Amino acid sequence: DQQVKQNSPSLSVQEGRISILNCDYTNSMFDYFLWYKKYPAEGPTFLISISSIKDKNEDGRFTVFLNKSAKHLSLHIVPSQPGDSAVYFCAASGDTGNQFYFGTGTSLTVIP
Amino acid sequence: KAGVTQTPRYLIKTRGQQVTLSCSPISGHRSVSWYQQTPGQGLQFLFEYFSETQRNKGNFPGRFSGRQFSNSRSEMNVSTLELGDSALYLCASSRTVVAPSNTGELFFGEGSRLTVL
Repeated sequence: DQQVKQNSPSLSVQEGRISILNCDYTNSMFDYFLWYKKYPAEGPTFLISISSIKDKNEDGRFTVFLNKSAKHLSLHIVPSQPGDSAVYFCAASGDTGNQFYFGTGTSLTVIP
Repeated sequence: KAGVTQTPRYLIKTRGQQVTLSCSPISGHRSVSWYQQTPGQGLQFLFEYFSETQRNKGNFPGRFSGRQFSNSRSEMNVSTLELGDSALYLCASSRTVVAPSNTGELFFGEGSRLTVL
């Protein structure tokens, strides 16, 4: 029962263009969302978060959008850089402490 | 400051054996969570410990267990290993409870890659 879904296993984008990674969730009790980036042989590293009281959060080149009615969030990376090539995971949590539900990841390739 | 440290990084076991993985959280972090990552399944939550108490447990069989010590270090154990237990096991620490305060994040270690033959 995958409560958080990333339906695009991979995405390729030209350097300098926008990368848009999508994530859908099914549990309406989720109210906190995180995005992580993972390089091979490394642990996931935190990128950006958003609470359900907001619909947008920005941090430099990274912006996360939350559409609660559609149970959908997206991560925008502008401009995309080759160093952004990695696997991106979205994660969601409700009021259950630090138990997060992760998507299966989207592998982003930024082409120079 | 030092990050989350997991040992061993790689290990190979055979079916039926048991394994213990260790995690040292970031200094000052009291919450330790464990996740299993397998191809196509993403990260699956195993359990979380906070101040030596298991606070949440994922949907895994009883062969998977864990504990946390007074210094916040944590171990997880898998008994009677099966081929399907081959995975990357990730430990994450956090200073406090991320939800429902909805602040902060989990800090992950590099993982312990277990191969069961």
